[in-house]
Amino acid sequence: KAGVTQTPRYLIKTRGQQVTLSCSPISGHRSVSWYQQTPGQGLQFLFEYFSETQRNKGNFPGRFSGRQFSNSRSEMNVSTLELGDSALYLCGSSLAGGTDTQYFGPGTRLTVL
Amino acid sequence: AQRVTQPEKLLSVFKGAPVELKCNYSYSGSPELFWYVQYSRQRLQLLLRHISRESIKGFTADLNKGETSFHLKKPFAQEEDSAMYYCALRDPGYGNKLVFGAGTILRVKS
Repeated sequence: KAGVTQTPRYLIKTRGQQVTLSCSPISGHRSVSWYQQTPGQGLQFLFEYFSETQRNKGNFPGRFSGRQFSNSRSEMNVSTLELGDSALYLCGSSLAGGTDTQYFGPGTRLTVL
Repeated sequence: AQRVTQPEKLLSVFKGAPVELKCNYSYSGSPELFWYVQYSRQRLQLLLRHISRESIKGFTADLNKGETSFHLKKPFAQEEDSAMYYCALRDPGYGNKLVFGAGTILRVKS
């Protein structure tokens, strides 16, 4: 069974631009969560999507948004990029919820110049 | 608010020595606790979870609700255990949202 995939793996953008990151969960998994990982703040939860609906949201500004498609693939979008958005963005995939294990992708490394 | 604290940024031990990575949490309820590990250049992966009470790669962790702790232990460290370890908490009423600690780098010296 293929693992969680994230594309692209690396991105370089400039301030003010917007970016879209993609995550394909493990086949059959319906829950996708997004996390931001930085040296200063560690791993912080952005949001979770389940069956195309946002189920949870972290404490990030509205510039961060996401969506999930009917095939469970998810995208997150960051508009008006700031230098502080430079981070590794991780996607977690799980069956549904409850006691399901969350599996992570390799991440997308975003650098904002 | 939910919070996970890992007091040590770096723990350095010799091969064969016991290891204990500390994790404390604040949560008013019955959370689920996890340990995730990230080896160099690899993705974050689940090491163990308190509800399964199993031992993975010789590691164990016991949930102590009285002390709100979930320390990770291994009796004899191996060089391949060197990695970043994250303690995480999930509120069963909030889907799959994980709250992570800051992480502890474990270095096992030969």
